[in-house]
Amino acid sequence: DAKTTQPNSMESNEEEPVHLPCNHSTISGTDYIHWYRQLPSQGPEYVIHGLTSNVNNRMASLAIAEDRKSSTLILHRATLRDAAVYYCILRAAPWETSGSRLTFGEGTQLTVNP
Amino acid sequence: EAGVTQSPTHLIKTRGQQATLRCSPISGHTSVYWYQQALGLGLQFLLWYDEGEERNRGNFPPRFSGRQFPNYSSELNVNALELEDSALYLCASSWGLAGLLPLNEQFFGPGTRLTVL
Repeated sequence: DAKTTQPNSMESNEEEPVHLPCNHSTISGTDYIHWYRQLPSQGPEYVIHGLTSNVNNRMASLAIAEDRKSSTLILHRATLRDAAVYYCILRAAPWETSGSRLTFGEGTQLTVNP
Repeated sequence: EAGVTQSPTHLIKTRGQQATLRCSPISGHTSVYWYQQALGLGLQFLLWYDEGEERNRGNFPPRFSGRQFPNYSSELNVNALELEDSALYLCASSWGLAGLLPLNEQFFGPGTRLTVL
């Protein structure tokens, strides 16, 4: 599985935007970029995913570099509830057997200050 | 809509015993995944079942096994328990291989905390 690199921790203030970076220089052409987050004492929760184009949903935006070697998860207005570990995951194409699994790295611990 | 459920919430066993963990997926989901989250090791993929068959396996010894039932619920069995098996075991479900969106999100349950003494 291709690897991702994320900062160990980041801090933000409530109601400010947060940009969580992820490097994935060995990404293959068919790898999807997924983001999950894990709140304290809970299972992981899907945030967003994309392949080449930037993506938006109700939770966040995903900005993908043109060469796909990095991406940024954007939380437009951080709330205290957004404090969690955020995982950037490369997921193989669905026709690949390994495409079923999520390979979690260390993730970024996001702290949101009131 | 009910989410992924797991039972029991907590399980305490001693070394050498067997543990059985259960998972009920979201209605309509045919794929079930098992992950282990141990202290210091992060979240690791264990097993993937779809339509009753084991489709993929992570780097775990054979004493970790499971099955998926016709109603798509799943069981994870851990034989000959070792101290390092103490962890949070998470189950997730998603639309399966036959679904329209096989790369869709995985929905996680709250986990079973297994403690091996």
